[in-house]
Amino acid sequence: EPEVTQTPSHQVTQMGQEVILRCVPISNHLYFYWYRQILGQKVEFLVSFYNNEISEKSEIFDDQFSVERPDGSNFTLKIRSTKLEDSAMYFCASSGNLGTGWSEAFFGQGTRLTVV
Amino acid sequence: KNEVEQSPQNLTAQEGEFITINCSYSVGISALHWLQQHPGGGIVSLFMLSSGKKKHGRLIATINIQEKHSSLHITASHPRDSAVYICAVTRSSARQLTFGSGTQLTVLP
Repeated sequence: EPEVTQTPSHQVTQMGQEVILRCVPISNHLYFYWYRQILGQKVEFLVSFYNNEISEKSEIFDDQFSVERPDGSNFTLKIRSTKLEDSAMYFCASSGNLGTGWSEAFFGQGTRLTVV
Repeated sequence: KNEVEQSPQNLTAQEGEFITINCSYSVGISALHWLQQHPGGGIVSLFMLSSGKKKHGRLIATINIQEKHSSLHITASHPRDSAVYICAVTRSSARQLTFGSGTQLTVLP
């Protein structure tokens, strides 16, 4: 069964360092998303990406964040200068066009980012 | 005010019990989603529905568009059903999901 793959599963980084979280969406999907979940809180939307550009972004997704689809298979989230409050589980998701409408979102297993 | 509200926040049941988790939303939607999150953190989509009712095994999801309300039912609950169940919506004006806070379900043997 096709799945969304995220790497690494856990990353620890020093405050102020740059991190890149990687995702391989399902191959025929067209819409890609990043969400985050701070421990004990609900999942929050960060950004959606369609047709090689950002489709929507939340107020969380400030200038410190960027997304890229560098090679047609990977989808990355970069945090330029991490802060303690960026510590969270980051989920990548993708959805596809069924012809009759969009499919449900398929989620990766998440990357737990810990900023120290 | 949260756009997606779930109840209860926590639910403990005995194995075999019938379980209902409720979700209300306050925005126009194109679809409502029920998702499951296990302790390891991964999220799995259970249902996506825009009207009526869907059934998958022991899980049933219903939605009432007029009342802006959905329910997730689990029949003959089992300890392996223990997880966080999350309601989320796709707003009419967007593609991404807006999440509720989740219901922590614990099924005791």
